[in-house]
Amino acid sequence: DGGITQSPKYLFRKEGQNVTLSCEQNLNHDAMYWYRQDPGQGLRLIYYSQIVNDFQKGDIAEGYSVSREKKESFPLTVTSAQKNPTAFYLCASSRPPSVYSNQPQHFGDGTRLSIL
Amino acid sequence: AQKITQTQPGMFVQEKEAVTLDCTYDTSDPSYGLFWYKQPSSGEMIFLIYQGSYDQQNATEGRYSLNFQKARKSANLVISASQLGDSAMYFCAMRGMNTGFQKLVFGTGTRLLVSP
Repeated sequence: DGGITQSPKYLFRKEGQNVTLSCEQNLNHDAMYWYRQDPGQGLRLIYYSQIVNDFQKGDIAEGYSVSREKKESFPLTVTSAQKNPTAFYLCASSRPPSVYSNQPQHFGDGTRLSIL
Repeated sequence: AQKITQTQPGMFVQEKEAVTLDCTYDTSDPSYGLFWYKQPSSGEMIFLIYQGSYDQQNATEGRYSLNFQKARKSANLVISASQLGDSAMYFCAMRGMNTGFQKLVFGTGTRLLVSP
């Protein structure tokens, strides 16, 4: 079955440490996204990528970095510059929305990141 | 800028009854799409229904229908014949032409509780 796999499910970060969240999809989607969700809040866009080797900042990119070396993979690094990283992180993918505007984004099961 | 407002933090409904979850939006985009997602306690986001701004008819998907009133900028989700498994958070989201349909903007969600 096609889908999006996020790992790990739970992650703990020490002060001053960078951590990387994995996101892999086998849906053959061109576009991929990272969102952050805080308790009682909706999702906020961190970064998105429309194509391999290209990505753009979303609304809350500070303290985060991404790469898109393969179509299937879009890892997110939470750097030590992100002072409040505790949140639920969701990865999503979709067909190119500029072409398929009615196509939804498909989401992974998320990663819960906490500070030690 | 685009904005989604969900004014109901929580809703209660009895099993087998219908329930309406409110969503209003604000955008200057001439073309946009509206989405509803369900988020169970496990965390994944499940796509429910889509409505395009130029669609003449209200969208329906099984027990879900979208009451789209363009002049009022509202896109309420109607769930008919509620089931216990419908208990979850529900998010309204939109994306518009001015951002190339790339950015999905979410509301803060409504928690639905279905009682036996």
